[in-house]
Amino acid sequence: GDSVTQMEGPVTLSEEAFLTINCTYTATGYPSLFWYVQYPGEGLQLLLKATKADDKGSNKGFEATYRKETTSFHLEKGSVQVSDSAVYFCALVKAAQKLVFGQGTRLTINP
Amino acid sequence: ETGVTQSPTHLIKTRGQQVTLRCSSQSGHNTVSWYQQALGQGPQFIFQYYREEENGRGNFPPRFSGLQFPNYSSELNVNALELDDSALYLCASSLEASGRSYTGELFFGEGSRLTVL
Repeated sequence: GDSVTQMEGPVTLSEEAFLTINCTYTATGYPSLFWYVQYPGEGLQLLLKATKADDKGSNKGFEATYRKETTSFHLEKGSVQVSDSAVYFCALVKAAQKLVFGQGTRLTINP
Repeated sequence: ETGVTQSPTHLIKTRGQQVTLRCSSQSGHNTVSWYQQALGQGPQFIFQYYREEENGRGNFPPRFSGLQFPNYSSELNVNALELDDSALYLCASSLEASGRSYTGELFFGEGSRLTVL
């Protein structure tokens, strides 16, 4: 079945460091890909998305490119802030209309 | 615009009991999905309701059931609770139309944390 694999956490960085969170997927067909974020005490929020190969999703300084050849959708940010501390989930969806999530990566940014 | 609200936020049950969790969808949304998030794991799809009908189900046993009401709010019912049912239950709403492509942009509530002893 369809699945999403994220890099294991937790990830701890200093403020202004470069961030990469790896995400790879296994799916038949052409899924859409997403990054959701869960800030402490809040519900999941959509961070960015890409619906076809080579699309780049971006939001709040975060970016991810849909790479079909490597079945990847890695999340990157050039300079992280303390406020980026959260749990990040990579996910995919197809016509079945259900999101398939990775296990999540907890990110902590130290000042 | 009112977001997705869930109740209760926390509850404790014992094995074998039944539980009902409630969700009010975001204003204007007609579709509700339920997810189970075990500690340290990503959310797992339970089922989705679209216009009061079940519209897709994940790999969960029949003791997990749901309802959607005419105002698009929803309930998740779990019978014969087991220890492994302890988790955060997330409700998400979206606006869908038949025959459309699915965008995956769901609006999540903060969840109901269920502990089964």
